[in-house]
Amino acid sequence: EAGVTQFPSHSVIEKGQTVTLRCDPISGHDNLYWYRRVMGKEIKFLLHFVKESKQDESGMPNNRFLAERTGGTYSTLKVQPAELEDSGVYFCASSQDDRGPYEQYFGPGTRLTVT
Amino acid sequence: GDSVTQMEGPVTLSEEAFLTINCTYTATGYPSLFWYVQYPGEGLQLLLKATKADDKGSNKGFEATYRKETTSFHLEKGSVQVSDSAVYFCALNRLQGRRALTFGSGTRLQVQP
Repeated sequence: EAGVTQFPSHSVIEKGQTVTLRCDPISGHDNLYWYRRVMGKEIKFLLHFVKESKQDESGMPNNRFLAERTGGTYSTLKVQPAELEDSGVYFCASSQDDRGPYEQYFGPGTRLTVT
Repeated sequence: GDSVTQMEGPVTLSEEAFLTINCTYTATGYPSLFWYVQYPGEGLQLLLKATKADDKGSNKGFEATYRKETTSFHLEKGSVQVSDSAVYFCALNRLQGRRALTFGSGTRLQVQP
């Protein structure tokens, strides 16, 4: 079974530019989460999809971040325009809906550097 | 709100030493507790979990016991190896309501031969 994959693994962009991160969850996992770790601090939740619907987006920092999940499969996270403080590692995770305690399986992360 | 506090790192140990990484949490109700590990250059991997008080999670020689009375979930290993060098994250989530994981800040472990 393939794990969670993320693309790209690393992105370097200038302040003001746009970046789109992609996450492909484990096949059959309805739940998809985005997290990020900034400057070696704790990993913080951004949002949670159930299939194509946003279940919880309370962690999204501002309206420069837009997440979508087309057809309940892969998800994209767009940052537009990027700011210096957006630098960090963005993790995607997925879980099955019917298996408590809802263990989440993580991808390798995308390291975003905004210069 | 929910929170997780881990001991500051880095933790440096010699091979075969005993490891303890402290983790305490604040949450209402009965959260599920997890330890995740991130090896160099890799993503987060679930190391072990516990879902109720007094449960002991274990994997790869690591153990942690869900202590509700002290709101703790300390990670232990009797004899560490160089290959255990990684960053360890304590986390919690809920069966009811919000399912997002709340993480601690991570503890870097460096094991020297």
